Amino acid sequence: GAVVSQHPSWVICKSGTSVKIECRSLDFQATTMFWYRQFPKQSLMLMATSNEGSKATYEQGVEKDKFLINHASLTLSTLTVTSAHPEDSSFYICSTTGGRLDEQYFGPGTRLTVT
Amino acid sequence: RKEVEQDPGPFNVPEGATVAFNCTYSNSASQSFFWYRQDCRKEPKLLMSVYSSGNEDGRFTAQLNRASQYISLLIRDSKLSDSATYLCVVNIAPGGGADGLTFGKGTHLIIQP
Repeated sequence: GAVVSQHPSWVICKSGTSVKIECRSLDFQATTMFWYRQFPKQSLMLMATSNEGSKATYEQGVEKDKFLINHASLTLSTLTVTSAHPEDSSFYICSTTGGRLDEQYFGPGTRLTVT
Repeated sequence: RKEVEQDPGPFNVPEGATVAFNCTYSNSASQSFFWYRQDCRKEPKLLMSVYSSGNEDGRFTAQLNRASQYISLLIRDSKLSDSATYLCVVNIAPGGGADGLTFGKGTHLIIQP
């Protein structure tokens, strides 16, 4: 299956700052990548679908101006949390299908804490 | 009503025991079904897909009941390493795209020595 990496693994930042999270597909050219968010003891929730070379598609309730997604190459998608607030503290995970429809390959996740 | 509902547990069972848990889904148009495993502070990993005829992978057996809209996972001869959160995942997208994936909150399983 596809191998997906994410950086950083965890980050602590102050309220009002912006944080960029990178998601890389190491062995698969991913035209589409997905960004999820998971709050403690909650489900993974799809935030947006990142499309290489075009605009991301955001799920209802997710602010596109706050969560900036850039998918400039087939192996890299970035999520920037702008003007972060404590309520943005969460576990952010990216994934790709690796070319299969029935399986998602997840990155190791990024734990964001906003103080 | 929640789209994918699971008993959060935790289920505490002794090593070697057999344990089963269920998941119900609300969308009758759901196309495909999965069990994922998530360890603490880690990403989910696919455990197995769930087929209408039921399927088995080693100590793990998954069943799907479309009429009642529930999915089950049975773990036999449980190991300490089976301790994790098990996520029930349902896909409503006809082509199986990830934008149709809906995750349950997970069932927390603790295997005790």
